[in-house]
Formats: sequence, structure tokens, C-alpha cells
Amino acid sequence: KAGVTQTPRYLIKTRGQQVTLSCSPISGHRSVSWYQQTPGQGLQFLFEYFSETQRNKGNFPGRFSGRQFSNSRSEMNVSTLELGDSALYLCASSQTGAYNQPQHFGDGTRLSIL
Amino acid sequence: AQSVTQPDIHITVSEGASLELRCNYSYGATPYLFWYVQSPGQGLQLLLKYFSGDTLVQGIKGFEAEFKRSQSSFNLRKPSVHWSDAAEYFCAVFTGNQFYFGTGTSLTVIP
Repeated sequence: KAGVTQTPRYLIKTRGQQVTLSCSPISGHRSVSWYQQTPGQGLQFLFEYFSETQRNKGNFPGRFSGRQFSNSRSEMNVSTLELGDSALYLCASSQTGAYNQPQHFGDGTRLSIL
Repeated sequence: AQSVTQPDIHITVSEGASLELRCNYSYGATPYLFWYVQSPGQGLQLLLKYFSGDTLVQGIKGFEAEFKRSQSSFNLRKPSVHWSDAAEYFCAVFTGNQFYFGTGTSLTVIP
């Protein structure tokens, strides 16, 4: 069974641009969660999608948004990029919920802002 | 406010020695607690979780953790560390609508 796939693995952008990251969950998983990992702030929860609806949301500004498609694939978009958005963005999937089943993480997308 | 504290930023142990990684949480209700491990350049892998019931939880790779409500702690233990256990370890709490992670403990294993 294929694991969680995140694309691209690496991305370089400049301030003010926008970026879209993609996450393909494990087949049969309907919940997808996104996390930001930085050396200074550590791991922070961004949001969770389930059946194309945002179910939970962390404390991030509106520049961070996401969506989920009918095949459970998810995208995360960050607009008006800032230097502080440089981070490893992790996606995780689970069957029905982020807490009551094991989350399976992808290897992440490393975003660098110049 | 909810929070998770991992007091030890970095720990070094000898292979074969026992290990304990500390985790304290701040949350008003009974939390859902997790330990994850992250190897370099990779995503996180769930080691174990606590929802309710027996306060001693067994996980993968020989790890266990004990939930102590009176101390608001969920410490991770392993009786004998292997070189392959070198990684970053994260404690996390789920409050019902989002996850909070500790800042992580980096484990170095020396031969």
C-alpha cells in the first residue's frame, strides 16, 4: 500500500508569491491534516480536512488555506509569502479522524522563501 | 491555554542503556496523548497513544509510556536503547479540535 505522498519535495519562492502544496493520502483514508515545522516554532497544526470539509483549524492567518477533493487528495495554499513561512510542511492522513486512528505522515515539502 | 512541554532538548545515551523522555502537558480535561518519532528528512511516525484506560501504554519498537494525571505527565521509556533509535521525539496532545506538539527531544545514541 502506498504511503502518504507529498509534492513537491522542495520548493523555493520569493516574498509576495503564492504557493500550492499537494498531498495524496493513503488509499481509503478520508482525513488529511497539515502541519508546519520550523526550528523556532516547532510543529504546529494548520488544519484538518475530512470529506472535502475543513473540520479543525489551528491558529494561522488567513493566508494559509486548503482544500480537499472528492478523491481525498488535499492541497494547501499560502498566499503573499513571508520569510517566516520557510518551513517543512507535513501532511498526514488517517481513516476517519486525526486522533482516533493512527496518522500516517508524508516526508514533507520543504519550502524556502528568499 | 493548552501546551506541551518537553524539558530536555537533547539527550545522549549509550546503546543498551535505558531511556526516559519527559513530557508534561497543560489541558483542563482528559487529553488524548501521543508520542511520535521523526528520523532525519522524514515525516513523523506514531510510537504510541493514550486515550483512556490502562495508564501504561505499549507502543512499537519496544517503547512504552505512562500517563500520570496527578503530574500531568506522559513520559516515554525504553529499557534498552538501540543505535537505530537515534531520532527526534515529539510528545503531542489532542484537545478535541487540534493538536499541540512539544518542541521535541533529540536523542543521540553512542556505541
